[in-house]
Amino acid sequence: QSALTQPASVSGSPGQSITISCTGTSSDVGGYNYVSWYQQHPGKAPKVMIYDVRNRPSGVSNRFSGSKSGNTASLTISGLQAEDEADYYCGSYTSSSTLWVFGGGTKLTVL
Amino acid sequence: QVQLVQSGAEVTEPGASVKVSCKASGYTFTAYAMHWVRQAPGQSLEWMGWINGGNGDTKYSQKFQGRVTITSDTSATTGYMELSSLRSEDTAVYFCVRGYNLGSHRPDYWGQGTLVTVSS
Repeated sequence: QSALTQPASVSGSPGQSITISCTGTSSDVGGYNYVSWYQQHPGKAPKVMIYDVRNRPSGVSNRFSGSKSGNTASLTISGLQAEDEADYYCGSYTSSSTLWVFGGGTKLTVL
Repeated sequence: QVQLVQSGAEVTEPGASVKVSCKASGYTFTAYAMHWVRQAPGQSLEWMGWINGGNGDTKYSQKFQGRVTITSDTSATTGYMELSSLRSEDTAVYFCVRGYNLGSHRPDYWGQGTLVTVSS
């Protein structure tokens, strides 16, 4: 099982907003503002969408936003578009012997 | 622009070893680290290990400790991941990912992935 817990799937209609959660512990998500979110389309390499909880890399749409409360981080996608349909993974720095951990991934379906 | 170009697909037998390379360009190699992440078919991302591009320090996932070796050649700006004692469950796409030597250590730019198939 993955170190961080994500819902297996979420869905939404075009134009709507969805939120994906990512729950860890005080050793990872809760202890540091070092959470990233990655988007992966089938057969492609992941792409970073959010880093350090809420920062967007250059070129990423402002429809993507991140936040954190306690041991749970969240990714919100507003104004859903067909091209947003993909798998989304959270990742976090961890103070355990492992440096970085990923979530189990969430499949986003745009209805 | 940052680019990470990995070596080609591999087919290997159980018990053997595989070594995947990752040629980096578009940034100062020693100023950044390199992570290795794998993804089995239909499964999630799995962090394997990391190497500090400046001093060569490494950290490995406990799951792979003793089986994985991550190295780099700064003169060639290339990173390497070697996995030994392969079994069928190691069949996966292996990614190199640029990271940070300090702070968050976060993975950012990803290579295209290398499919490793373990089969007798």
